[in-house]
Amino acid sequence: GESVGLHLPTLSVQEGDNSIINCAYSNSASDYFIWYKQESGKGPQFIIDIRSNMDKRQGQRVTVLLNKTVKHLSLQIAATQPGDSAVYFCAERDPNQAGTALIFGKGTTLSVSS
Amino acid sequence: EAGVTQSPTHLIKTRGQQATLRCSPISGHTSVYWYQQALGLGLQFLLWYDEGEERNRGNFPPRFSGRQFPNYSSELNVNALELEDSALYLCASSFKRGRTDTQYFGPGTRLTVL
Repeated sequence: GESVGLHLPTLSVQEGDNSIINCAYSNSASDYFIWYKQESGKGPQFIIDIRSNMDKRQGQRVTVLLNKTVKHLSLQIAATQPGDSAVYFCAERDPNQAGTALIFGKGTTLSVSS
Repeated sequence: EAGVTQSPTHLIKTRGQQATLRCSPISGHTSVYWYQQALGLGLQFLLWYDEGEERNRGNFPPRFSGRQFPNYSSELNVNALELEDSALYLCASSFKRGRTDTQYFGPGTRLTVL
C-alpha cells in the first residue's frame, strides 16, 4: 500500500488566497520529501524539497512545513494564481529500498478560480 | 538547459504486442528512473538505472524491462502487452546516486493498449 497520502483529493480556492495542501506519511524513517506539481498532459514538475533535519523551507511563493512528530507534510502557496491549478503530489524517499525511488501519493487537485 | 525528453509522446499498441519507450536524461545526470502513472492513480516506481546498470525495480512483472546506454539515455520495454498496461509512463533523471537527489521528470509517453 501507499506510505504517502494526501488528506484531500481536491481543493478549490479563489485567486489571491493562500492555499495549503496537506500530506501524511507513514514511514518515520523517511528522510527526504519532495512536492511536485503536475499540469494536465505534462510530467511532474519539481516545486520544493525538504530534508528531515529541517522543519520549514521557503521558496518563491511556496513554503513546505514538516512535522515529524505527527508525520505530516504541507505545502503552502501564497497568493494563489490561476496558473497554480494542477495536481500536487508529495513524495518521500523510500528508505527501505536499496535505490532512490520515490513513493507518491494519489495527489490533490488544486482549482483556482478568478 | 534541455530537460528530460521522452519519445514517443503517444503510442498505441494491441494486446500481446511489445512497446519500446525512450528517455534522454538531463545533461550530466547519470541516473534514470521509470514510473507508471495509471489513470487516476499516483506514480508507481518501475525501474532505476545508474551508470548503465539496473539498480532497483519496483513490484512489476519481468515483462517490464529496460536498459541504459553509455550516453545515459534509457529504454523501457514492455512485452506481451495487457490492457491494464495502458498508462502514462514517466521518466525522471537525477545527477548522481544518493538518497536525496532530486528527480526531474520528462513529459511522459502515453501508452494505450487496445
